Amino acid sequence: RKEVEQDPGPFNVPEGATVAFNCTYSNSASQSFFWYRQDCRKEPKLLMSVYSSGNEDGRFTAQLNRASQYISLLIRDSKLSDSATYLCAVKYYGSGTYKYIFGTGTRLKVLA
Amino acid sequence: GAVVSQHPSRVICKSGTSVKIECRSLDFQATTMFWYRQFPKKSLMLMATSNEGSKATYEQGVEKDKFLINHASLTLSTLTVTSAHPEDSSFYICSAKRAGHSNQPQHFGDGTRLSIL
Repeated sequence: RKEVEQDPGPFNVPEGATVAFNCTYSNSASQSFFWYRQDCRKEPKLLMSVYSSGNEDGRFTAQLNRASQYISLLIRDSKLSDSATYLCAVKYYGSGTYKYIFGTGTRLKVLA
Repeated sequence: GAVVSQHPSRVICKSGTSVKIECRSLDFQATTMFWYRQFPKKSLMLMATSNEGSKATYEQGVEKDKFLINHASLTLSTLTVTSAHPEDSSFYICSAKRAGHSNQPQHFGDGTRLSIL
């Protein structure tokens, strides 16, 4: 089983739609969680950190479910500019150092 | 603005050449930096963790003699791909985290697209 798993998609949604992505992780000792956005041939850019209580930033809402070991990202009122690959990242301490492991990413295409 | 600078952004060279990639944290100290590799339409694969003043920690399956990492200062880590071959062609990305901020996210460099002919 992969350490961090995501549905690769693509998710094709119309403008204005609400779309949700999940990301599961296998290491129960994982400490911190993040969502990144990556545009084609570019580096990942932090979208938001994920807190235990859930957090919202404009149209984006992130949630953490430690019991089921997954995090989610909800995008409301999708824009064309939201088209990108969304990567989840999980941080845990192992082998004497902190490690950040990324999922494979979920591709989102918002259609006009 | 960018907080992590990676250089060069693009390298095209002949097989057998060694290529050095630099990763700098611009306005913060980073005791730890990370090197990732990404193939087209694939996720970031952690190659190694670069530790300032000590040896890098390599992930399973990554050849440490092939991918030399040096983290000589709190703001600079380098990755050298030695005797590169076409199969080493990939997108290499570094990231850094502010020292003393264990729960803060990483900041990524712009990446280096390496093409070996």
